[in-house]
Amino acid sequence: KNEVEQSPQNLTAQEGEFITINCSYSVGISALHWLQQHPGGGIVSLFMLSSGKKKHGRLIATINIQEKHSSLHITASHPRDSAVYICAVRLSRNYQLIWGAGTKLIIKP
Amino acid sequence: DTGVSQDPRHKITKRGQNVTFRCDPISEHNRLYWYRQTLGQGPEFLTYFQNEAQLEKSRLLSDRFSAERPKGSFSTLEIQRTEQGDSAMYLCASSPSTSPEQFFGPGTRLTVL
Repeated sequence: KNEVEQSPQNLTAQEGEFITINCSYSVGISALHWLQQHPGGGIVSLFMLSSGKKKHGRLIATINIQEKHSSLHITASHPRDSAVYICAVRLSRNYQLIWGAGTKLIIKP
Repeated sequence: DTGVSQDPRHKITKRGQNVTFRCDPISEHNRLYWYRQTLGQGPEFLTYFQNEAQLEKSRLLSDRFSAERPKGSFSTLEIQRTEQGDSAMYLCASSPSTSPEQFFGPGTRLTVL
């Protein structure tokens, strides 16, 4: 079993839909990151959180430390949101990031 | 541009050749990380530097791989006797001492023929 599991692996939705991507982890962490990767490989950090909820524009990230679960939500989705969204956790004991396999999101106009 | 930069962006090499990649972190960041990402997978941790000291190395980093950060600024990742399985995107990231948030470079895509 992977230490970081994301679901779904692939998600296709219509423009305007509310999107949820889930991340579960099985290790002790000091922080959880949500990152966005566009075709061509560039990775952009969206959120880093260790508790509660963060919001940036149309993106919302939540984390439940007790349940070892985090969600990334996109409101009013747009085709430019199409990308791979990756959850990565920072281990408590060192600086490594353990990565999920990513969720490929396609938003159709 | 003051972000993380990597050079080259793309490298095609023949099996058995040596390759070297460079990463220039954000200037005030003392932590530097290397990751490898194969097609369809999430990135995997390779190694981590704090200033010039290499503090962690993944088991993925075989004896053909070596990374350096001699002056605590830019870093190089060398792969000797490349194999087809080394084909991947090699990502570099940096972070400041005050925050664990990592900032990523554009990556170097290696293709071993």
